[in-house]
This record gives sequence, structure tokens and C-alpha cells, in this order.
Amino acid sequence: KQEVTQIPAALSVPEGENLVLNCSFTDSAIYNLQWFRQDPGKGLTSLLLIQSSQREQTSGRLNASLDKSSGRSTLYIAASQPGDSATYLCAVSHQTGANNLFFGTGTRLTVIP
Amino acid sequence: NAGVMQNPRHLVRRRGQEARLRCSPMKGHSHVYWYRQLPEEGLKFMVYLQKENIIDESGMPKERFSAEFPKEGPSILRIQQVVRGDSAAYFCASSPFEGALYGYTFGSGTRLTVV
Repeated sequence: KQEVTQIPAALSVPEGENLVLNCSFTDSAIYNLQWFRQDPGKGLTSLLLIQSSQREQTSGRLNASLDKSSGRSTLYIAASQPGDSATYLCAVSHQTGANNLFFGTGTRLTVIP
Repeated sequence: NAGVMQNPRHLVRRRGQEARLRCSPMKGHSHVYWYRQLPEEGLKFMVYLQKENIIDESGMPKERFSAEFPKEGPSILRIQQVVRGDSAAYFCASSPFEGALYGYTFGSGTRLTVV
């Protein structure tokens, strides 16, 4: 059974700092991996989608990497801003029956002005 | 493009009542997925539907929960005789094709509180 773990559970950084969020998954037979952002009381916003054949994806100040064989992904946020404060969720879809996502419990990020 | 629309945003029900949650997928998306997020837990898959068909309901509780996606209108997640443990955020996602190839787009969720 696929299990997704995100470390740390919470993180506080001063504005302007670069940071890395970690995601690990137990079954490397994934179809793709998606990073989401969730604001308190709100829905999920998709940030980056990495297919299993890719090593990384970039969007603005965000860069996500994927090491499928070791079951790891990282989300790198450059020059953090207070507006980046949110919970970041990692989710993987499985190769067989890729009809649903397995989510981690998230990393709650606070960027201090 | 209005995205995935869920309503209501907040729903309060007394124990024993019925809860109906609605989800309209993105325009052009015919695949709908429901997820539940219990307090302090990650999102868990419940059910995957295409128009008029339930494709995978492996994450649905066996009793009191049902889902449909009729030919016309939104997808409905129905919870009968709600209990306190049903209090959670329920999210709907849609995709243009079966499977995860293009990722999923999520709605803002319905927060159900059972009192």
C-alpha cells in the first residue's frame, strides 16, 4: 500500500530565505507526482506536476524534483515571501489504476515578514 | 473557465440528517473524483465517477455514503444519517481523461459539520 510522508510537518522561515520541502513515498511504481498548495479553509491549488519519466519541473520561484527509484521528491521555494505561507501537499498516483491520488499530510509553511 | 465548483462551501447538519454535496467539474472534464479530509489527516480517495457510471468506489464507506454523476447536472455525494465522525472537508476533483496523465483540478471543498 502506498504511503506518502512529508517532512517537516511545519516550518517557519524569515522572508527571503530559500527553503526545501520533502516528500517520500514507499512504492516507486508511480505514474506521476503532484505538488499542491492549500490555504486555510480553502481548496487545493496545483503547483507542479511531474511525470514519472521526468526529473524536475519549474514554475517561477518553485522547482520540484523527482527521484522515483529512491521514492523522493523535493519542492524548492526560492526567495520566500509571506504570501507563500500555506500548507504544501504532495500526492502521487499509482501506475496501476491511476485513478486516484495518495496524499501526504502536508508541510505547514509560515514565512515571517 | 470557472474551474471545479463545489457547493455549498459550508454545511451544518444534525446527527441523523442527510447531507448532499455537489460538484460541477471543469468545462470539458468528464471524470470526477471525491476525496475526504478528516481533521489533522491527509486527503483520502473516496470514489471516481464518469458520466452515469461509478468506476472505482474502493474508498467509500460501505454504509450511508453514495455518489452519482448523472448525464445532466453536477456530481452528488450523499451521506445519509450523518454522524459526528462524518465532519470533514470533502473535496471534488476533475480531469479531462481517465487517469492521472494531466493531473487533477480540485474544487474549494465543502466543509461538513455534524452537530
